[in-house]
Amino acid sequence: GQQLNQSPQSMFIQEGEDVSMNCTSSSIFNTWLWYKQDPGEGPVLLIALYKAGELTSNGRLTAQFGITRKDSFLNISASIPSDVGIYFCAGIRNTGNQFYFGTGTSLTVIP
Amino acid sequence: EAGVTQSPTHLIKTRGQQATLRCSPISGHTSVYWYQQALGLGLQFLLWYDEGEERNRGNFPPRFSGRQFPNYSSELNVNALELEDSALYLCASSLGLQETQYFGPGTRLLVL
Repeated sequence: GQQLNQSPQSMFIQEGEDVSMNCTSSSIFNTWLWYKQDPGEGPVLLIALYKAGELTSNGRLTAQFGITRKDSFLNISASIPSDVGIYFCAGIRNTGNQFYFGTGTSLTVIP
Repeated sequence: EAGVTQSPTHLIKTRGQQATLRCSPISGHTSVYWYQQALGLGLQFLLWYDEGEERNRGNFPPRFSGRQFPNYSSELNVNALELEDSALYLCASSLGLQETQYFGPGTRLLVL
């Protein structure tokens, strides 16, 4: 399916730093999801967002559903080495099988 | 509750052979999705099954096919394997259309 625009493509940060990544589209979505994929494994759901403007946290992770419904943001605070992986956003539309994935952000945390 | 399971974890085939990959969804989930993820790339949608029927198909040739069984488990078949079919094949399941997808660990296919 169609890919969402996700940025940055990759990040190299020091342990303890905060991380921000985002996902944008030219179309409106009804649900935004963020997944993390460790090397060689399947993506694991981190956060799901269901309403425009919604801000949801999961430990050190915080994600927001953009007001325009065309974007979403994921922030990771005080990064640790196990945050390493690829982060994917995904959007769902309520019409048809409209499930789209972002292109992924590869995160490397330097101890 | 058990998550999505996939088998085998690894599969090695030679060019021209056929590969069969299997997926068991989370209990109660009726939709199963298949994705191909080549090394270092994003997820490419392959197939979606719901209630035993193919509902949607990605931009892949007909040699990629599959089916969903009455117990909602699914099989992905890849015929006439090519070198570029080497990838991680991910299965996901959901309660139904427009619901959150949960992924299995994947099957890593290597075509020599």
